[in-house]
Amino acid sequence: EVQLVQSGAEVKKPGESLKISCKGSGYSFTSYWIGWVRQMPGKGLEWMGIIYPGDSDTRYSPSFQGQVTISADKSISTAYLQWSSLKASDTAMYYCAGSQSGIAAYFDYWGQGTLVTVSS
Amino acid sequence: AIRMTQSPSSFSASTGDRVTITCRASQGISSYLAWYQQKPGKAPKLLIYAASTLQSGVPSRFSGSGSGTDFTLTISCLQSEDFATYYCQQYYSYPRTFGPGTKVDIK
Repeated sequence: EVQLVQSGAEVKKPGESLKISCKGSGYSFTSYWIGWVRQMPGKGLEWMGIIYPGDSDTRYSPSFQGQVTISADKSISTAYLQWSSLKASDTAMYYCAGSQSGIAAYFDYWGQGTLVTVSS
Repeated sequence: AIRMTQSPSSFSASTGDRVTITCRASQGISSYLAWYQQKPGKAPKLLIYAASTLQSGVPSRFSGSGSGTDFTLTISCLQSEDFATYYCQQYYSYPRTFGPGTKVDIK
């Protein structure tokens, strides 16, 4: 069974750094694209970016380019989303999601979400 | 980036109703469209991809159609478990983009 398990909720202060994780199991981690989706409180889904762990090919939405870093460690089947300096506006639920599609198309599998709260 | 719009943004319906949600792309995306369902407090779930292909395990009362710029998601006979928010997403080009969502609640 394909599973994506995300790290737990985080409470941070503005200006702090953060790295959240998404561990894949039940499939070949290097064969699926892994993406990140933001959902701000009470709002819709926003596509942030995606990585192919096999070769670390990474694509970002212009809205998030330079604001976050997506990475993956295929040795431990884990993808990451990180911030170097959080803002209050980063408060949101973040989902990782997997795409079997060779073109990083749609997301077949989803993690349970990581709630990030940024508050002074 | 391709902009996705959905209509209506929300509506109320009754169990047993046939409901249709529309998604429009700001430019042609062929059939590179997916639909997701999200229930409160849960991760989204893939329903349909390639505009009309039902994801494995999704009930056949869900169907999708369209190509180019205009797409629809139809639920033929609404069940209690279908009250949720539905999102379309294009994968014709980067960045992939989602529609704003359509919330279906109980009348």
